[in-house]
Amino acid sequence: DQQVKQNSPSLSVQEGRISILNCDYTNSMFDYFLWYKKYPAEGPTFLISISSIKDKNEDGRFTVFLNKSAKHLSLHIVPSQPGDSAVYFCAASVAYSGAGSYQLTFGKGTKLSVIP
Amino acid sequence: DGGITQSPKYLFRKEGQNVTLSCEQNLNHDAMYWYRQDPGQGLRLIYYSQIVNDFQKGDIAEGYSVSREKKESFPLTVTSAQKNPTAFYLCASSIGRSGANVLTFGAGSRLTVL
Repeated sequence: DQQVKQNSPSLSVQEGRISILNCDYTNSMFDYFLWYKKYPAEGPTFLISISSIKDKNEDGRFTVFLNKSAKHLSLHIVPSQPGDSAVYFCAASVAYSGAGSYQLTFGKGTKLSVIP
Repeated sequence: DGGITQSPKYLFRKEGQNVTLSCEQNLNHDAMYWYRQDPGQGLRLIYYSQIVNDFQKGDIAEGYSVSREKKESFPLTVTSAQKNPTAFYLCASSIGRSGANVLTFGAGSRLTVL
């Protein structure tokens, strides 16, 4: 049973345009969400996070939006650059409830291709 | 520079052999993790350790074993009992035991069973 879902395996965007990557979750206990970026044959690197008390977090070109009622989050990249081409993983955890197991649950990833 | 070192980067194994993947961190992180990535799949947790001499099974622990004798080291052994061991293995660490901590990943080890 997949608790974190990234329904789009791939996404292609023109350089300079906005990239929107989506993620849905089913576990209502999740209260902390992260996005990781991964290049081939490398480990994932942390990109941005958001806790459930917020609905938006911004860091430069990257913004994450959280809609708790819909159990949905999205990552916006503006403007998109060719170097952003990578696989993006959404991850979630139960961080603040006191009942967490300190684990991150990952989605299957979305491969973003930014076309010059 | 602080980070996580995984070795070897590439490893080939014959069926029936056990292999051990090394993971060392110099970040002074308490928690360490092993994940497995298969094509088209997310990262799945194999084992994690929150403190020295203690570790817990993740979602797919069958056929794997770990040890945590030192804070810096968390080796993973892929045993012959693992039915489909060919995969990309990722080691990670985090500063504490809260789920709000960011994981830092190593560069990964690719295991291929011949």
